[in-house]
Amino acid sequence: KQEVTQIPAALSVPEGENLVLNCSFTDSAIYNLQWFRQDPGKGLTSLLLIQSSQREQTSGRLNASLDKSSGRSTLYIAASQPGDSATYLCAVANSGYSTLTFGKGTMLLVSP
Amino acid sequence: DAEITQSPRHKITETGRQVTLACHQTWNHNNMFWYRQDLGHGLRLIHYSYGVQDTNKGEVSDGYSVSRSNTEDLPLTLESAASSQTSVYFCASSIAGDGTDTQYFGPGTRLTVL
Repeated sequence: KQEVTQIPAALSVPEGENLVLNCSFTDSAIYNLQWFRQDPGKGLTSLLLIQSSQREQTSGRLNASLDKSSGRSTLYIAASQPGDSATYLCAVANSGYSTLTFGKGTMLLVSP
Repeated sequence: DAEITQSPRHKITETGRQVTLACHQTWNHNNMFWYRQDLGHGLRLIHYSYGVQDTNKGEVSDGYSVSRSNTEDLPLTLESAASSQTSVYFCASSIAGDGTDTQYFGPGTRLTVL
């Protein structure tokens, strides 16, 4: 059974810092890995999706990397802003038609 | 614009009552999913469907049922609501087999069972 762990559970940083969120998974036979953002009281918004054959994906100030062999992914946020404050969730799919297994998330607070 | 909607957004019910949560998407996605989100557990899969007349059980399906009579809708029914089913429920959809399989989430329904 796939298990997804996210560290840290919470993170507080001042505006402008670069930061890294971590995600690890137990079964390396994945199809893809997704990073989501969730604002309080809202649904999830997909940020980045990395296919198993890819090593990284970038969107603006966000960069996600994937190391299947070690069962790890990182989400790098450059020059953090207060608007980045949210919970970030990592999720893994084990096949093309598979359901997602989610980590419990990292709650990020960026202070002005 | 295409979207995924859930109704109601908030619901309070009593133990033992039947409750149905609605999910409607206008993307014509084949795949639809129901999750519940609880503190300390994250998101857990309840039921999912890969197309009309197809339904499958997820990790926490006991006490829940779904039916898929058309592409757009996947209602979630709690047959006899229990206090343990107090949670926030999210519906999601995705395209089948397009290689990206990004899931798109609805805004959620907060259900309280008294």
